[in-house]
Amino acid sequence: GEKVEQHESTLSVREGDSAVINCTYTDTASSYFPWYKQEAGKSLHFVIDIRSNVDRKQSQRLIVLLDKKAKRFSLHITATQPEDSAIYFCAASMNSNNRIFFGDGTQLVVKP
Amino acid sequence: EAAVTQSPRNKVAVTGGKVTLSCNQTNNHNNMYWYRQDTGHGLRLIHYSYGAGSTEKGDIPDGYKASRPSQENFSLILELATPSQTSVYFCASGDVGTGNEQYFGPGTRLTVL
Repeated sequence: GEKVEQHESTLSVREGDSAVINCTYTDTASSYFPWYKQEAGKSLHFVIDIRSNVDRKQSQRLIVLLDKKAKRFSLHITATQPEDSAIYFCAASMNSNNRIFFGDGTQLVVKP
Repeated sequence: EAAVTQSPRNKVAVTGGKVTLSCNQTNNHNNMYWYRQDTGHGLRLIHYSYGAGSTEKGDIPDGYKASRPSQENFSLILELATPSQTSVYFCASGDVGTGNEQYFGPGTRLTVL
């Protein structure tokens, strides 16, 4: 089955700097790559996704890049703010069903 | 707005006891999922369902059973709870029709003594 690896287990940045979280996947059939955010003590919620028909997607300060050849995708958070501090999970899925394979999460700390 | 609720939110159980975790969704999604979250392991899929009456094994099904009696409800059952099942459990719902996004419940913190 699909295996998603999240390269950074923790990441610390200064407020205003950019943060980058990198993930790789194994199954070439994966075509949907969502990102979820989990704030301390809370549940997960969806933040942004990218599909395999594009290689870049932006939503406000969030940018997702996808390199299908390398089976690699990344989340870029620009102009970080303290409220960006959370655990971020990358994931991969095939369009044929709704099952999502998650990475182990990256704890992002934004220092004032 | 999509809504997934879980009960109980916190549970303390004794080793060898039976525990049932309940999940309800009002999204009319076909698919529902049970995950557990442990430090260092991220989210691991226990069981999932494609609709009422169906259950499928996820990646770590041993020691757990699931039940999907209706579109809205999906239960996770620990027949003989063990301390290794102490964890935070999340239920989620989703559909291919929603673009594969999954909507998560608030979580249940289970402690098995």
